Amino acid sequence: NAGVMQNPRHLVRRRGQEARLRCSPMKGHSHVYWYRQLPEEGLKFMVYLQKENIIDESGMPKERFSAEFPKEGPSILRIQQVVRGDSAAYFCASSPDRFLEKLFFGSGTQLSVL
Amino acid sequence: GQQLNQSPQSMFIQEGEDVSMNCTSSSIFNTWLWYKQDPGEGPVLLIALYKAGELTSNGRLTAQFGITRKDSFLNISASIPSDVGIYFCAGQLKTSGSRLTFGEGTQLTVNP
Repeated sequence: NAGVMQNPRHLVRRRGQEARLRCSPMKGHSHVYWYRQLPEEGLKFMVYLQKENIIDESGMPKERFSAEFPKEGPSILRIQQVVRGDSAAYFCASSPDRFLEKLFFGSGTQLSVL
Repeated sequence: GQQLNQSPQSMFIQEGEDVSMNCTSSSIFNTWLWYKQDPGEGPVLLIALYKAGELTSNGRLTAQFGITRKDSFLNISASIPSDVGIYFCAGQLKTSGSRLTFGEGTQLTVNP
C-alpha cells in the first residue's frame, strides 16, 4: 500500500511563474490536507478537501493560491505568479475519514522561487 | 491565529539519557498529537491523545494530555541515535474542525 505521493519533490520557479504541486492520497483516502512549512518552523494549515469539495480553506492566501481534488486524479495545489516568500516545503496529508490519528503525510514538495 | 508554544527549541543529549519536551497554549484543545520529522520527509505520528489527563506510551515514548487541556508533554527514555530529528506537537481545537495547529518543533540531537 503506497503512502501519500507528492511530486515533484523539488520545484524551482522564477518569480511570476506558476507552480503546480501534486498529491496522490493513500488508497481509500478521500480527505486531503495541504500544509506549508517555512524553514525552522512548524507546519501551517492551508486547505482541507474531500473529493471535489473544498471543506476548509481558511489557511490559504486569498490571492494566487488555489487547490482542487477532482473526482479522478491527484489533488493539485496551484500557486500563480510566485514570489520569493512562497519558497517553502508544501506537505500533503490524507486520511480515510476526519479522525486525525489516521492522517498520513507525504514527503513534501520543496518549492524554491528564484 | 491560535499558537502552540513548544519548548525547548533544541536539545543536545548523550545516548541513553531521557528527554522531555512540552507544548502549552492559551487555548483548549480536543486532541493532542506528537509527530517526528526527519530531514526531507513529512511528519510521522508518534502518539495521539484524546482525553484530559490521558497518559499514553509507545515503546520508549510517553506523552500526556494536560488536565487543563492547554498543554501536553512528550518524554523519550533511554535515547538512541535514531531518535535524532524534529519533534512537533500538534493540537486540534474544538472549533477548528479537522485543522491541526503545530508547535514550532524541538530539534533533538543525540550524541553516541
